[in-house]
Amino acid sequence: DAKTTQPTSMDCAEGRAANLPCNHSTISGNEYVYWYRQIHSQGPQYIIHGLKNNETNEMASLIITEDRKSSTLILPHATLRDTAVYYCIVRVGNDYKLSFGAGTTVTVRA
Amino acid sequence: DADVTQTPRNRITKTGKRIMLECSQTKGHDRMYWYRQDPGLGLRLIYYSFDVKDINKGEISDGYSVSRQAQAKFSLSLESAIPNQTALYFCATSDRRASTGDRETQYFGPGTRLLVL
Repeated sequence: DAKTTQPTSMDCAEGRAANLPCNHSTISGNEYVYWYRQIHSQGPQYIIHGLKNNETNEMASLIITEDRKSSTLILPHATLRDTAVYYCIVRVGNDYKLSFGAGTTVTVRA
Repeated sequence: DADVTQTPRNRITKTGKRIMLECSQTKGHDRMYWYRQDPGLGLRLIYYSFDVKDINKGEISDGYSVSRQAQAKFSLSLESAIPNQTALYFCATSDRRASTGDRETQYFGPGTRLLVL
């Protein structure tokens, strides 16, 4: 699986959009970008995934650059409950293996 | 995710005891997984099962065993617990029938916090 690079931490104001970057410059053509988050000591929560097109669901939007070497997860209106560690994961769609790196610790402040 | 439940949520046990952690899911998924999480080490896969008759070891299976009693139930046992098995344990599920990309999206339970004294 391609490696990913994320900032260690970031702060966000409540009610504002949170933009979480992820670099995956060695991504292969058949690898998807997945985002999960983990609120302190809770089970990891799936957020969104995509291959090359931008994706949106009820939780977030995923913007993937045209060369697919980086992506941004957007939480449109961050709330205090969005404070968590966010993981960007790149893997082949048929691969069951899920490897979490260090992630980005996002703190939403009132 | 309320569709994946784990029992117990917290457990304290003594070295040498046998314990079982249970996972149940109502998502109708065929694949189930057991992970452990230690501070600073991320998630590590213990066992995974692609259906009732297909069980596989993950990266850290020593000291653990599993049982897939039904499609919806996957139990993890520590035959003789030791202190370095103190960790957070998570169960997860995924759906083989989903389309590529969706197929291996994994949904996690709330976790079991285990302390081995």
